[in-house]
Formats: sequence, structure tokens, C-alpha cells
Amino acid sequence: GAVVSQHPSRVICKSGTSVKIECRSLDFQATTMFWYRQFPKKSLMLMATSNEGSKATYEQGVEKDKFLINHASLTLSTLTVTSAHPEDSSFYICSAREARENEKLFFGSGTQLSVL
Amino acid sequence: GQNIDQPTEMTATEGAIVQINCTYQTSGFNGLFWYQQHAGEAPTFLSYNVLDGLEEKGRFSSFLSRSKGYSYLLLKELQMKDSASYLCAVIEGNYQLIWGAGTKLIIKP
Repeated sequence: GAVVSQHPSRVICKSGTSVKIECRSLDFQATTMFWYRQFPKKSLMLMATSNEGSKATYEQGVEKDKFLINHASLTLSTLTVTSAHPEDSSFYICSAREARENEKLFFGSGTQLSVL
Repeated sequence: GQNIDQPTEMTATEGAIVQINCTYQTSGFNGLFWYQQHAGEAPTFLSYNVLDGLEEKGRFSSFLSRSKGYSYLLLKELQMKDSASYLCAVIEGNYQLIWGAGTKLIIKP
């Protein structure tokens, strides 16, 4: 099946720094990528939808200036957590939609972000 | 409004069969996913239903009734490794995903 590569898998950073997470579709073109965040004891929460070549669509309550999303090509989307704070510590997961297979989604392996 | 309901937790015995139900109310419908998620890991794709009926894939089967806003995931010949959370997610008319809270499945020997 299709593969979505997400890096880094784990990152620890100091409060106030910025962290970039990459999401790549390795063997297919992803016109749309989704970014999720997982909260303890809850399911994944959609943060934003990114479409190649256009601005990301953010879900209500998600700060656009804090979570910068760039989808510059059909195989790469990045999420940058700017000026990270301890409350941003979470598990972030990206997924990509393979248009040629009935909207099936493929997920990255996730990034565990810990902000000290 | 948008809503997806699935049981919070279920317990079953190794070797048995379990059915996890999911009901939904969404703005438009473009398909329903079932995902399996082990603790600390990303969800993995199990099934996608967009038409009514049952789809079988080995030990796992998924059923959809669009008129009833209902789906279920059927797991047969349960194995200990099937202990995980099972997430129901619906693609709305605008292609946004609406996720259920997940059903934690506990398998006992």
C-alpha cells in the first residue's frame, strides 16, 4: 500500500522554540493532507486540512499563527509549531489522501512532541 | 449537528466474535472508515465503506447502512493482538473527517 513518511518521530525542545514536522507521501501524489493532534484519552482531533498550492483550512479553535502549515508540493506538507509551550506537547499525526483509491487515507507514523 | 457514537469500551474472549457499532449524523456523506489504533501508535486503516452492504477482509468485516446512519465492524476469531482502540470516522460532504471517540476493545484469554 501507499506509504506516508513523517519526521521526526520524536522531538524534545525548549519552550519558546519552533519545531517543524514533515509529512511526505512516498509513492503517490497527495492533493490533500490532514494534520491531527491526539489528546489523552481522546481520539484524533483534526487540526487543519492542507491542499497543495493553497492556504490550509484550520479547524475552529486552532491557532493559525501558532501551527503553520505549508503544502508546497504534491508529496510534502509541513507543520511548524511556533514558539512552542508545554501545553503544545502532544502526538501529532499527518495523513494523506490518495485520490485514485476512493478517498482512502494513509497515515504517517506520528511525532511525539515534548516541550520543556 | 455532527455526531458519531460508538461504545467507549468492549470486552471479548480470545477466539470469539465481536461487533463494534457506530452511528453517525453528519452534513453529507462521502464514506466511512474504520481504523485500528494501538496505544502510542498512529491509527492503521482497516476498511472504507461508501456503499451499503458488507465488505469482508479476512477476519475483519465492515457493514454500512447509509439510510440508517449506521455501521459496524465485525472481528472474528479474536486474537490477543486485536486488543486496541477502534475508531469510526466519517467523511462529510466537504471531505472533512469526523471522528468518533473510539472503542477500546479488551481481549481476555
